[in-house]
Amino acid sequence: DIVMTQSPDSLAVSLGERATINCKSSQSVLYSSDNKNYLTWYQQKPGQPPKLLIYWASTRESGVPDRFSGSGSGTDFTLTISSLQAEDVAFYYCQQYYSTPLTFGGGTKIQIK
Amino acid sequence: QVQLQESGPGLVKPSETLSLTCTVSGGSISSYYWSWIRQPPGRGLEWIGYIYFSGSTDYNPSLKRRVSISLDTSRNQFSLKLRSVIAADTAVYYCAKGRERNSAYDAFDIWGQGAMVTVSS
Repeated sequence: DIVMTQSPDSLAVSLGERATINCKSSQSVLYSSDNKNYLTWYQQKPGQPPKLLIYWASTRESGVPDRFSGSGSGTDFTLTISSLQAEDVAFYYCQQYYSTPLTFGGGTKIQIK
Repeated sequence: QVQLQESGPGLVKPSETLSLTCTVSGGSISSYYWSWIRQPPGRGLEWIGYIYFSGSTDYNPSLKRRVSISLDTSRNQFSLKLRSVIAADTAVYYCAKGRERNSAYDAFDIWGQGAMVTVSS
């Protein structure tokens, strides 16, 4: 199984400031035949299902604000919120879909400082 | 717009079988991969398995001995059965759709609201 490790576990950021979440996979999720990173990011608010934010490590899902961006390749990835808004308070999860079993990171809680 | 809705008992006794159904509305179940994912209270997400509209399946090895996923294309539904449940199977169970047609290895773009299932006598 590919183990996904997120850091930090929680993060407090002032409104309007940048938030950065890291995700590391135990093996590369870059598929050589198509040069794509099989890595996605979700946002989950209390009592709600996860919402897709980013796929292929850096492609924003339709309707997701452009303050959310994903970067990285191979085994190291980052989700950045460029200017934190109150509605961004949530848990964030990375997930690999390079191989089954599909696996998720442990989650990062974003709060307002 | 495709929507998913989980349904089934919210309470299951230990050693019995957990059964949930996901109804797909606003689109066809054809050509996509459909997954079950669970989240114990206050914890992270665990992929249980998926089924393709052809009926092929893949399961998480951690649950493979106890789980089965089936499909009813006539009703646009897919179902989860988890046998011999224990307290640790208490979780919110989500159904989810793979983003692209015919792609087993993909992100989940649509999720159901989730069904809380408690295992207790």
